[in-house]
Amino acid sequence: RKEVEQDPGPFNVPEGATVAFNCTYSNSASQSFFWYRQDCRKEPKLLMSVYSSGNEDGRFTAQLNRASQYISLLIRDSKLSDSATYLCVVKWGGYNKLIFGAGTRLAVHP
Amino acid sequence: DGGITQSPKYLFRKEGQNVTLSCEQNLNHDAMYWYRQDPGQGLRLIYYSQIVNDFQKGDIAEGYSVSREKKESFPLTVTSAQKNPTAFYLCASSLGQMNTEAFFGQGTRLTVV
Repeated sequence: RKEVEQDPGPFNVPEGATVAFNCTYSNSASQSFFWYRQDCRKEPKLLMSVYSSGNEDGRFTAQLNRASQYISLLIRDSKLSDSATYLCVVKWGGYNKLIFGAGTRLAVHP
Repeated sequence: DGGITQSPKYLFRKEGQNVTLSCEQNLNHDAMYWYRQDPGQGLRLIYYSQIVNDFQKGDIAEGYSVSREKKESFPLTVTSAQKNPTAFYLCASSLGQMNTEAFFGQGTRLTVV
């Protein structure tokens, strides 16, 4: 089983749609969680951290369920500029091991 | 400006040659990471280091080597033992504490011919 698993993509949605990405992790000792965005042929960039109580940043909402070892990202009112690959990231251990999911590609069309 | 710098951006090498990819950061971060990304794939962890003179193997360390002699620098050597070295290599750094995100360099595209 992979340490971090994400929904397979791609997701093709019209502008204005709401889209949800899911992610599960296998190590219960995981301590920190993030969503990154990666544009084609570029480096990943932090979209948002994920906190235990859930958090929101504009059109983006992240949720964490430690009991189920599950993380989600909700994007409301999708824009063309949201088209990218979204990566779920988990950090654990005394050595700060940082593990990425394989990513889910989102394509927003007019 | 603070940041993380990888060089070169593009690198071509002949099969059988070792090659070293540079990664430098001036963010005063303790932890540094190397990832490999193949087309259409996610990031796979090669090596990571939490502190100077210490590093740990990631999931795909075979055929790679690293050093961490200075806090700012974490070079990656792709050796001739790496069977399929052509890929996009990404270096990242972060503070050593939990709940701190990683910042990435712009990556090095290595092509072995």
